[in-house]
Amino acid sequence: AQSVAQPEDQVNVAEGNPLTVKCTYSVSGNPYLFWYVQYPNRGLQFLLKYITGDNLVKGSYGFEAEFNKSQTSFHLKKPSALVSDSALYFCAVRDYSGAGSYQLTFGKGTKLSVIP
Amino acid sequence: ETGVTQTPRHLVMGMTNKKSLKCEQHLGHNAMYWYKQSAKKPLELMFVYNFKEQTENNSVPSRFSPECPNSSHLFLHLHTLQPEDSALYLCASSQDRGTALTYEQYFGPGTRLTVT
Repeated sequence: AQSVAQPEDQVNVAEGNPLTVKCTYSVSGNPYLFWYVQYPNRGLQFLLKYITGDNLVKGSYGFEAEFNKSQTSFHLKKPSALVSDSALYFCAVRDYSGAGSYQLTFGKGTKLSVIP
Repeated sequence: ETGVTQTPRHLVMGMTNKKSLKCEQHLGHNAMYWYKQSAKKPLELMFVYNFKEQTENNSVPSRFSPECPNSSHLFLHLHTLQPEDSALYLCASSQDRGTALTYEQYFGPGTRLTVT
């Protein structure tokens, strides 16, 4: 089975500084990787995905992620953090669940706090 | 708005009650999912439906009963729940077949369930 790991429960960053939220993956075959964000009492919002192609993927709200095959990582980045970026971030990998269906397997999440 | 709606947004029920959660997707997707999100636990996949057929049941207790009458609607019927079932229940949809496949899942806002 495919899996992802988010090694940090919490990341704190000052407003205006660059931010990185880490994710590593373990897959057999080519990985399909995703980042989601969740604001309090809301559902998950899709930010970006890596399927194939360029290792640097750009997504919503100025976020980007770098796919690194040798390090099996897919870290989320943003050049300049905003207070409004404070939320819970999830990394996910697509996994085959049988009978022609797929599922997303999520990491445990990283809470990002941007300090004014 | 992600194109996935859930009702009700909040639900308080006693352990002997019967209630249902409703999810509707307006995206024309072929697959729909139920997830459970508890405090301090990873997102748990409960059920997967693909073209109205249930293809995954992750050892969910029988007090949770899903129903998918068509590819746009998904229900989760609840009966004789336990306090530990209190959580945020999230519905999602995706298109993972055909020419319009996108791979990512789109989530509804969730139903906050409290079992007393």
